[in-house]
Amino acid sequence: DTGVSQDPRHKITKRGQNVTFRCDPISEHNRLYWYRQTLGQGPEFLTYFQNEAQLEKSRLLSNRFSAERPKGSFSTLEIQRTEQGDSAMYLCASSLVEDNYGYTFGSGTRLTVV
Amino acid sequence: GQSLEQPSEVTAVEGAIVQINCTYQTSGFYGLSWYQQHDGGAPTFLSYNGLDGLEETGRFSSFLSRSDSYGYLLLQELQMKDSASYFCAVRDNDYKLSFGAGTTVTVRA
Repeated sequence: DTGVSQDPRHKITKRGQNVTFRCDPISEHNRLYWYRQTLGQGPEFLTYFQNEAQLEKSRLLSNRFSAERPKGSFSTLEIQRTEQGDSAMYLCASSLVEDNYGYTFGSGTRLTVV
Repeated sequence: GQSLEQPSEVTAVEGAIVQINCTYQTSGFYGLSWYQQHDGGAPTFLSYNGLDGLEETGRFSSFLSRSDSYGYLLLQELQMKDSASYFCAVRDNDYKLSFGAGTTVTVRA
């Protein structure tokens, strides 16, 4: 297993377009998290899954954002009608529940909305 | 909700010792983690404190005082490769992490 993979690494889109990102977690991890990070800030929680169930979604998250994790494997994060304020690094992480050794993060997808 | 405070920047010379403090206010606390992130890279796990006291991992150590809602990361024998951002993160009772804004450590020759 090569860790957490995210695709694409970079995405430039025009305002108003829809974008979808993919995350492939470490295969034996049952938790998958999406975070957003802007320059000079720490990762901000968006949502997370345990297996295929989405357990929590940030109250700060617009309803333009949706995430899925079919069959408890890979996950997708979709942003509809993108806005310039959506420009950020979108990070995916996975872990085992009750694992004190922390999350394994992917390298992220950098979204630029022009 | 969660609120974490850590210094924004620290600069030190090679071989020095740096301590990054983190204070937190939280509605549910199960532990404090530390992550390192190099420019353009993914955050990587450094350490976790679930109980009060010191945890040592090579040149890095982390400390937690739950009664003071305070922890720190100690970087010893600084090397140029330690130049990075360091984040403290509070783990809640559902194993979800909330991160601080990060401390940028710059190591000078």
